[in-house]
Amino acid sequence: AQSVTQPDIHITVSEGASLELRCNYSYGATPYLFWYVQSPGQGLQLLLKYFSGDTLVQGIKGFEAEFKRSQSSFNLRKPSVHWSDAAEYFCAVGELNFGNEKLTFGTGTRLTIIP
Amino acid sequence: SQTIHQWPATLVQPVGSPLSLECTVEGTSNPNLYWYRQAAGRGLQLLFYSVGIGQISSEVPQNLSASRPQDRQFILSSKKLLLSDSGFYLCAWSGRGREEKLFFGSGTQLSVL
Repeated sequence: AQSVTQPDIHITVSEGASLELRCNYSYGATPYLFWYVQSPGQGLQLLLKYFSGDTLVQGIKGFEAEFKRSQSSFNLRKPSVHWSDAAEYFCAVGELNFGNEKLTFGTGTRLTIIP
Repeated sequence: SQTIHQWPATLVQPVGSPLSLECTVEGTSNPNLYWYRQAAGRGLQLLFYSVGIGQISSEVPQNLSASRPQDRQFILSSKKLLLSDSGFYLCAWSGRGREEKLFFGSGTQLSVL
C-alpha cells in the first residue's frame, strides 16, 4: 500500500519569501501525486496534480511542484508567498489504474505567514 | 457549474445519540461520492465512497454507516455516537475517470461530548 509523509507539521514564512513544502511518498510504481490546500474551516481545493509527463507541474495560485522519482518526493514550491496563502497543505498519492478511492493523504503542513 | 453542499457546519452531540450528516451535489450527474474524516494531526481518512445509488464501499470498520438514496445525495449516519467519532467530516465528489479531481464540501465539525 502507498503512504505519504509530510515531515513538517508547521512552517512559518515571511510574506514575500519563497516557500517549499516537503512531501515524500512510498509506492511501488509510478504514482499519481496531488497537492490540496485547505483554508480554515473549509474543504480542500486541488492546487496541482502529477500523472505523467513533465516532472515540473504548474498549479493554481502560483504554486508548482516537482516530481523526483529518485528521491520519492513531490515538493510544493512558491517563489513569493502572499498572506492569503496561510492554510493547511496536504500531499496525496494515488494508485495507478485506480481513482480517488485509493487516494492516501499526508497529515498536512500548516503554513503561517508573518508580515 | 457544479456545487457541493454539506450541512450542518458544526454539530455538538452527546455520546450515544444518533447522527445524520447530509451532502448534496448539484450540476453533475452520476458522480462518485466520498465521506472523509479529518482528525487533528492525522490527515484525511476515507470512510466511505459510492459509485452509484445504493452502492456503498467502506474503507475502515467503524461506528458509522453511509447511504446514497439519490444520485446526488450522500448521507453519513450513526445510531449511537462515540467520543472517538469527534472530528471534521468532509464530503467530496469526483467524476468517473481515474484522473478526476476531488471537489470538497466545506465540512462539518462534529463534537461528541
